[in-house]
Amino acid sequence: GESVGLHLPTLSVQEGDNSIINCAYSNSASDYFIWYKQESGKGPQFIIDIRSNMDKRQGQRVTVLLNKTVKHLSLQIAATQPGDSAVYFCAEIANSGYSTLTFGKGTMLLVSP
Amino acid sequence: DTEVTQTPKHLVMGMTNKKSLKCEQHMGHRAMYWYKQKAKKPPELMFVYSYEKLSINESVPSRFSPECPNSSLLNLHLHALQPEDSALYLCASSQGAGGPVEQFFGPGTRLTVL
Repeated sequence: GESVGLHLPTLSVQEGDNSIINCAYSNSASDYFIWYKQESGKGPQFIIDIRSNMDKRQGQRVTVLLNKTVKHLSLQIAATQPGDSAVYFCAEIANSGYSTLTFGKGTMLLVSP
Repeated sequence: DTEVTQTPKHLVMGMTNKKSLKCEQHMGHRAMYWYKQKAKKPPELMFVYSYEKLSINESVPSRFSPECPNSSLLNLHLHALQPEDSALYLCASSQGAGGPVEQFFGPGTRLTVL
C-alpha cells in the first residue's frame, strides 16, 4: 500500500545549526500533514501541521514546507538546541473522515552541545 | 486540560495473564485511538473509536480487546498475549468528525510479555 517515508534515519547537528528533516509521501490524495516529535519514553508530540492547499507554514523556530509536485515534506528547525534531540515523524491524514494517521519511518535528530 | 493520560506506565505480564491498559482524556474529544509502537518504528494504528463506537479495527488479533465505556475513557484488554506483543502502546484522541484532525497522544504503556 501507499506509505510515507523519510530519506535520512539519523541526523546529527551542532547546537545552533539549522536542521532539515525530509519526508517523501506517495498518497497524492492526502490533504493534511503533521510533524510529530517523540522524545525517549514519551508519546509523540504535535509540532506543526500543514494542509495541502499551502506550501509553507511557520511556527516558533519551525517551518514546514510542502512540495506537492514531488510529494515531499520537510521540517526546518532553526537554531537547533539539545532539547530538540528526539525522533521526528511525519504523518499524513488519510481522507477517511476518521483522521487516521499514517506515519513515516522517523528520523532521529541528535544535537551536540 | 490538554492531556491524555495512560496507566500503567509499565506492565510486565505472562502469556496466560489477563490485564488491561487504560486511557483517559478530558478535552471533550469524541475520537480515540490505540496504537502499537515497536522500538525504532513508527506507531501503527490498531483501533479507532468515534463517539464511543468502534469504527476501525486494523485486523488486530482477538487477544487485544478494546472498550470505550464513555467519551473520556478507553481501555485495551489483554489476554493470552505473545512475547512479540511486547511494545509501547499509545493512546490518542482527537476532536472527532468535522473538527480539527490533530491527535493528542498519551505517554504510552510499555508492555513486556514474558
